[in-house]
Amino acid sequence: DVKVTQSSRYLVKRTGEKVFLECVQDMDHENMFWYRQDPGLGLRLIYFSYDVKMKEKGDIPEGYSVSREKKERFSLILESASTNQTSMYLCASRKSGLAGSLEQYFGPGTRLTVT
Amino acid sequence: AQSVTQPDIHITVSEGASLELRCNYSYGATPYLFWYVQSPGQGLQLLLKYFSGDTLVQGIKGFEAEFKRSQSSFNLRKPSVHWSDAAEYFCAVAPNQAGTALIFGKGTTLSVSS
Repeated sequence: DVKVTQSSRYLVKRTGEKVFLECVQDMDHENMFWYRQDPGLGLRLIYFSYDVKMKEKGDIPEGYSVSREKKERFSLILESASTNQTSMYLCASRKSGLAGSLEQYFGPGTRLTVT
Repeated sequence: AQSVTQPDIHITVSEGASLELRCNYSYGATPYLFWYVQSPGQGLQLLLKYFSGDTLVQGIKGFEAEFKRSQSSFNLRKPSVHWSDAAEYFCAVAPNQAGTALIFGKGTTLSVSS
């Protein structure tokens, strides 16, 4: 069974802290994604990676960075957390290529609260 | 630019009644379309997908969706709703190219009344 896991389900951090959100997939997928989900706004893409050490900015990259040192792991970093980054963060992965490989598999999400 | 619109933010349906969730997309070429469901506190689970061929696609949990190119729509349906279907539903479109992410609608929350 395919699996995407995220390091924490719930996280509370203080303003100004550096925050790491980890995502691991066991499907040997090339592509990995980080989204944030806010009520009424749906899912918005922060960053994605199409290969190890490769990354592309999504729609809302400001205030975030990412790291992909190994194929199975994709980390989202909040360099200095702010209260407006309080949100649900979802990681996803998919196999590279067109058409039938476009299905994305999602992790359970990390609900981050910044106080 | 590609976009997805889900016109209904919140829908309430009686248990046993039929359901239709609307989705409209904006995309120039043949789209790849998806419906995902998110139960409270969970990640997203794929319900069904359309790539080509038969415009009526069957998914898991008794859901189906119909692709109508003339209306740029991909509406999700279920003939008889169960209380466990209460969740948030997202429609998404994938541009037909490698190295791109899904574009999601803002979601429709489904409540089921007894």
